[in-house]
Formats: sequence, structure tokens, C-alpha cells
Amino acid sequence: ILNVEQSPQSLHVQEGDSTNFTCSFPSSNFYALHWYRWETAKSPEALFVMTLNGDEKKKGRISATLNTKEGYSYLYIKGSQPEDSATYLCAFINTGTASKLTFGTGTRLQVTL
Amino acid sequence: GAVVSQHPSRVICKSGTSVKIECRSLDFQATTMFWYRQFPKQSLMLMATSNEGSKATYEQGVEKDKFLINHASLTLSTLTVTSAHPEDSSFYICSAQGAYSNQPQHFGDGTRLSIL
Repeated sequence: ILNVEQSPQSLHVQEGDSTNFTCSFPSSNFYALHWYRWETAKSPEALFVMTLNGDEKKKGRISATLNTKEGYSYLYIKGSQPEDSATYLCAFINTGTASKLTFGTGTRLQVTL
Repeated sequence: GAVVSQHPSRVICKSGTSVKIECRSLDFQATTMFWYRQFPKQSLMLMATSNEGSKATYEQGVEKDKFLINHASLTLSTLTVTSAHPEDSSFYICSAQGAYSNQPQHFGDGTRLSIL
């Protein structure tokens, strides 16, 4: 059983704050790591697919880094806005398992005015 | 972006009923579709992977006779929960992926199933 952990479980920040959270995954047999944003009453939305150690990806105010050797990825949000409130999920793919995603339990972010 | 439609969004039915959930990719051809289940406060758990025109691959512990999956075309996969019981009550969500495994998965909105 693959262990994918996310921390913190939940986070409450003020508008304008920058924040980050962590996804930990097995450091062996790495194939890819996905990040998704899941807003209440909507479908999970893909943010990033990361495949290379040292990868850094950016989409607007959101960015992510990847360290496959130590088995972690960070997601950063700069200048949080209320619309960033959502659950952020990471999902790990092992080599040899094709597209099979193993999800973490997510970090629930709430951004207040 | 890619759109996946999942229907129905909510089902409430009596024990013993079979329930069919549809997952459609609206603007792309989904070579592979995935079905997940989520229990309260837990992560999305993969139930099965289906490829168009072939039998689904079920994860360990998922009963294939209980959860029937059909992927008859590149745009439609269905999950049928047969003879549903209260313990089958859960949130079910599908995702679809195109031809390349390094692409993200595109999710439906999910189905909340409640068996009385």
C-alpha cells in the first residue's frame, strides 16, 4: 500500500497571505505527481502534473516544486484570495502502474477577508 | 479545458435496488476512465480502471460482481452498483484521461449515493 500524506489537514489564512503545504510520497519507483484543486460542489481541477526531480511549475499565483529523491512536493499560493478556498489534493503514480493515482487526504484551505 | 459529465449527482434509493452512474467525456476521447469512491474524511480510493472495449481492472478488495463497469465507447463509462445495500452508501466519482498517461485526469462532479 502506497502512503501519500498531506499536511496540514486544514489551514485558515487571511486574504493576501502567502501559504504553502506539503505532499509526501514514496521516494522509490516515482513516475509522476499530480496536484488538483477541489472546490466544494465542483469537480477536482488539475493544477500540475510533475515528473522530473527539481521540477517547478507555476500557474498564476500558484506554484509547486518537486523533490523525488526525498519524496515530497510543496504547493505555494502567493497572495491568497477567497476564491483560492478549496481542498488541494496531491496524487502519486508509481512506475509500472500506468495512470493509477494514489491520493492523499488533501489540505483544506480557507481564505477569509 | 476538458469536460467530464457525471450523472446523476445524487441518488437515494431502497436497499436491493441497482443503481447506474454514467460518466461522459464531452469534448475529448477518453482512452481510460477511472472510478473512485470516497468515504467521509478519507482520500479518493481507486475502485477500477476501464479501457474502452475491454474489461475493467478492479483494485484489490473491490467486488467486480457488485460494481459492474462498462466502457463501451471512448466517451462513456458506466458504473452499476448491483443490489445496493446501506454499506454501499458513499460518494462515487469518475475521471477520464486521454491517450497519454502523463496527462492529468479530468473529473466528473461525483455522485452521492444513499441507500436506505
